[in-house]
Amino acid sequence: GAGVSQSPSNKVTEKGKDVELRCDPISGHTALYWYRQSLGQGLEFLIYFQGNSAPDKSGLPSDRFSAERTGGSVSTLTIQRTQQEDSAVYLCASSLSGLRGEQYFGPGTRLTVT
Amino acid sequence: KQEVTQIPAALSVPEGENLVLNCSFTDSAIYNLQWFRQDPGKGLTSLLLIQSSQREQTSGRLNASLDKSSGRSTLYIAASQPGDSATYLCAVRAYSGAGSYQLTFGKGTKLSVIP
Repeated sequence: GAGVSQSPSNKVTEKGKDVELRCDPISGHTALYWYRQSLGQGLEFLIYFQGNSAPDKSGLPSDRFSAERTGGSVSTLTIQRTQQEDSAVYLCASSLSGLRGEQYFGPGTRLTVT
Repeated sequence: KQEVTQIPAALSVPEGENLVLNCSFTDSAIYNLQWFRQDPGKGLTSLLLIQSSQREQTSGRLNASLDKSSGRSTLYIAASQPGDSATYLCAVRAYSGAGSYQLTFGKGTKLSVIP
């Protein structure tokens, strides 16, 4: 079946603008994750959704970052008032179950803030 | 705080060689460990997942081992091919503080297989 998809694949925005990044997880996967990959920083966890439970937001770097998951499927990561340091590749992953599930990643969205 | 280290950072081998990539982690109280490969400009492809109760997993030419007590995992690639050239990432799922149990990634080993 289809894997995890993300859109857009590339996004260039001006500093101070808001952006929305979308993730479509694998059908039936209850867990969804957002990560950020920056040059020199490696991969960092941002937020985790598991079913109807409250999301784990412990990785969000500031209150400019937020995410929602509607209907237990599609998720949107929103970055408000973007800064140049937000430039990175934003990766989404999903898994069939929570803690022990194998995570499958999407191709990512490359965000460039000018 | 969990830290994951991968050594070497880069590795270049001739085609056909067997090779080992190393991953170490500081907190042995993990749920599982996952190996990924990442091709330039692409997302991550899951290679192997080892649960904390397991010692190894195999898929084709790949074999991953886990020694929880010593905080180590190895990824063995047999008969390497140019198509294996990629960055290999190790990640462990464990308690990461503030009630969170998430993947912590190493910085990866960049593998080049020379034809």
